[in-house]
Amino acid sequence: GIQVEQSPPDLILQEGANSTLRCNFSDSVNNLQWFHQNPWGQLINLFYIPSGTKQNGRLSATTVATERYSLLYISSSQTTDSGVYFCAVELNTNAGKSTFGDGTTLTVKP
Amino acid sequence: DTAVSQTPKYLVTQMGNDKSIKCEQNLGHDTMYWYKQDSKKFLKIMFSYNNKELIINETVPNRFSPKSPDKAHLNLHINSLELGDSAVYFCASSQDYGGISAYNEQFFGPGTRLTVL
Repeated sequence: GIQVEQSPPDLILQEGANSTLRCNFSDSVNNLQWFHQNPWGQLINLFYIPSGTKQNGRLSATTVATERYSLLYISSSQTTDSGVYFCAVELNTNAGKSTFGDGTTLTVKP
Repeated sequence: DTAVSQTPKYLVTQMGNDKSIKCEQNLGHDTMYWYKQDSKKFLKIMFSYNNKELIINETVPNRFSPKSPDKAHLNLHINSLELGDSAVYFCASSQDYGGISAYNEQFFGPGTRLTVL
């Protein structure tokens, strides 16, 4: 089955620092999403990004589908960015089934 | 005007009981999902429905039975609850599924934390 690997598993930053989270996947994908699970457990949509680059405020994401990876950039991090970041991918041979990575736990210290 | 809602938010019950979790979406989406998040935060798909029809059933014990009375609702009934069923259950929806399309973007409910004692 598809493998989705996220790195690093844990990341601790000082407020104001920048970071890059990575998601590698083992096969061609139809869809890729990035989510932020906040400390209250809510899963918040960040990006729908099967290919290309998108930006939303301090966050941006790039997916290079041909090389099977996606990157999430967080700039000028804030304490409210803390939580777990997940990427979820859907194989083009397995329509409707999204596989989540194990997540990156981000802690931003004041 | 919550997009995807779940009830209850918390559910504490004894082993062996039967319980249901309800999910409703007001986004007009055709596809709905159930996911399970275990204590290590791993998220795994359980079921998905498109237009009330089951499209994904991921080797889930048959004690779990989803029911979709209409496109806006997907309920999860669990029989004979076991300790290992303790988890957070998330419902999600998307306009469509399969293929490269922004209509396949999934939106999640707030989760139901199930604790089996």
